[in-house]
Amino acid sequence: GDSVTQMEGPVTLSEEAFLTINCTYTATGYPSLFWYVQYPGEGLQLLLKATKADDKGSNKGFEATYRKETTSFHLEKGSVQVSDSAVYFCALRGRTGNTPLVFGKGTRLSVIA
Amino acid sequence: DGGITQSPKYLFRKEGQNVTLSCEQNLNHDAMYWYRQDPGQGLRLIYYSQIVNDFQKGDIAEGYSVSREKKESFPLTVTSAQKNPTAFYLCASSLRTSSYNEQFFGPGTRLTVL
Repeated sequence: GDSVTQMEGPVTLSEEAFLTINCTYTATGYPSLFWYVQYPGEGLQLLLKATKADDKGSNKGFEATYRKETTSFHLEKGSVQVSDSAVYFCALRGRTGNTPLVFGKGTRLSVIA
Repeated sequence: DGGITQSPKYLFRKEGQNVTLSCEQNLNHDAMYWYRQDPGQGLRLIYYSQIVNDFQKGDIAEGYSVSREKKESFPLTVTSAQKNPTAFYLCASSLRTSSYNEQFFGPGTRLTVL
């Protein structure tokens, strides 16, 4: 079945450092891909998405590019802030039916001043 | 403001009691979902529903039950058969028609069984 693998955390960075969180997927056909963010004690918020190969999703300085050849959707940000500290989830939704999102296990990011 | 409401935010119950978690959405979404999240863990799907009066089991349905009598509402009952019910429960909804559509999440309910 469909699955998502993302790098294990926690990831600790200094403010203004470059961030990469790796995400790879296994799916039938060409799924839609998503990154969600979860702040402590809250629900998940959509950060960005991409629905076809080579699409780049972007929001709040975060970017991720849908790479079909490497089945990847890595999350990047050029300069992180303390306020970016959260848990980040990569997810996919398959094209084969009306199915729920499949999530990775999440990566905790801590940014220190 | 459109969105998903989960109530209450914190819930405490004694062991052996059934408890029902509320989830309401005013986004006119067809599909609704329940997830469980344990500390430091990812999300695990409990149940989902694509239309009124229909629902499917997810990966960890044992010890839980749901109903979908109205499009806006998808309550989750945690029964006494659930061996380890203390967790953070998240409800979500989405349009059903396309794989492009993301899921929208509620703020969650933290259930503690004493």
